[in-house]
Amino acid sequence: EAGVAQSPRYKIIEKRQSVAFWCNPISGHATLYWYQQILGQGPKLLIQFQNNGVVDDSQLPKDRFSAERLKGVDSTLKIQPAKLEDSAVYLCASSKTVDPFYGYTFGSGTRLTVV
Amino acid sequence: AQTVTQSQPEMSVQEAETVTLSCTYDTSESDYYLFWYKQPPSRQMILVIRQEAYKQQNATENRFSVNFQKAAKSFSLKISDSQLGDAAMYFCAYRSAAGNQFYFGTGTSLTVIP
Repeated sequence: EAGVAQSPRYKIIEKRQSVAFWCNPISGHATLYWYQQILGQGPKLLIQFQNNGVVDDSQLPKDRFSAERLKGVDSTLKIQPAKLEDSAVYLCASSKTVDPFYGYTFGSGTRLTVV
Repeated sequence: AQTVTQSQPEMSVQEAETVTLSCTYDTSESDYYLFWYKQPPSRQMILVIRQEAYKQQNATENRFSVNFQKAAKSFSLKISDSQLGDAAMYFCAYRSAAGNQFYFGTGTSLTVIP
């Protein structure tokens, strides 16, 4: 089966600019996650979708970050305006079930550099 | 919130030898799952092995095995017969049976020396 697709692979922007990341999960996977991985740290959950509804966005900085999942398939994560501390890899993951025993399938991420 | 600690930022191993990566975690829950993920330079997180907390038997997957010590809240990964392709960042992760997210450690960078 095809994996989780993410684009772009790299992005460099200046602070205060806007940026958007795109994720296409594995077909049939109802649950989609966005994680932020700052250099030297493990990934941290930003938001979780179940189909096209938000399950958990408690760690999403809502003053500058937004995310949507239209039609329960693709998802976009947006940052506006970006700050230097937003430099990180943004990982998208999907899973077929919410059963915690089953891990996610991760994409290869988008590396964002804010200068 | 649960915390996961990986105290070894970097490890190295000779090809064909065995290496053990350490992980400890802190939780007040009794029902949870533990995972080891591998992240090569491609950045994609790949599931290596997982363990249910209620199972005493340690999980094994081919050359990968874990030493799960629930009372000590320890979950180490042993890689036997190390191969060059094992070189990567390894992340230990915790997931509550009732929760939706993973809590990851800071990772251990594994180098395999030919």
